[in-house]
Amino acid sequence: QVQLVQSGAEVEKPGASVKVSCKASGYTFTRYAMHWVRQAPGQRLEWMGWINGDNGDTKYPQKFQGRVTISRDTSATTAYLELNSLRSEDTAVYYCARDPGIAAPYGLDVWGRGTTVTVSS
Amino acid sequence: DIVMTQSPLSLPVTPGEPASISCRSSQWLHSNGHNHLDWYLQKPGQSPQLLIYLGSNRASGVPDRFSGSGSGTDFTLKISRVEAEDVGVYYCMQTLQTPYTFGQGTKLEVK
Repeated sequence: QVQLVQSGAEVEKPGASVKVSCKASGYTFTRYAMHWVRQAPGQRLEWMGWINGDNGDTKYPQKFQGRVTISRDTSATTAYLELNSLRSEDTAVYYCARDPGIAAPYGLDVWGRGTTVTVSS
Repeated sequence: DIVMTQSPLSLPVTPGEPASISCRSSQWLHSNGHNHLDWYLQKPGQSPQLLIYLGSNRASGVPDRFSGSGSGTDFTLKISRVEAEDVGVYYCMQTLQTPYTFGQGTKLEVK
């Protein structure tokens, strides 16, 4: 069955970087896009960007420009989210989510279980 | 950025009764024949799950008691008869332009 399995929880110090992985299985990885969405405690969901699983094109919110990188390894059918210069406000659960709309969004139809990232000194 | 505003924020419902959630966007979401608005449900302790995409299309496996309607800037998610398993937080999300943005969520509880 279709699954997105995310890496385990991370605890990082302010200023550090974190890289979260999302291993996809059960479908053709390159025919879908992958989004990353985070949820800080008590906050609404926040979109962090997406990657075209076929050609690797990415798009990020202006808010995260220069701090976030989304990448993929098609041979490993895995997507990655890297966030640099961490601050306490980055403490959140980070989700990957599949999108059948490889060129434009068509609904995030499968989600990972989430990876908790805690930023604390 | 497009601002998404949901109402109500809290919705207590008796099982078997209907429920309705409103989502309003700060910009027109209709383009290329589609309303770029999705609905998600996040059940307690779980990841969000897709209910409705492009305004009114039910996702695979979603019961037909869920329906999405609206166009432009005003959208509605309706549950014809609420069941106990429908509890959680409902979010609308616009995908017309980046950054894609979510509403603040509506918490549905069963009385």
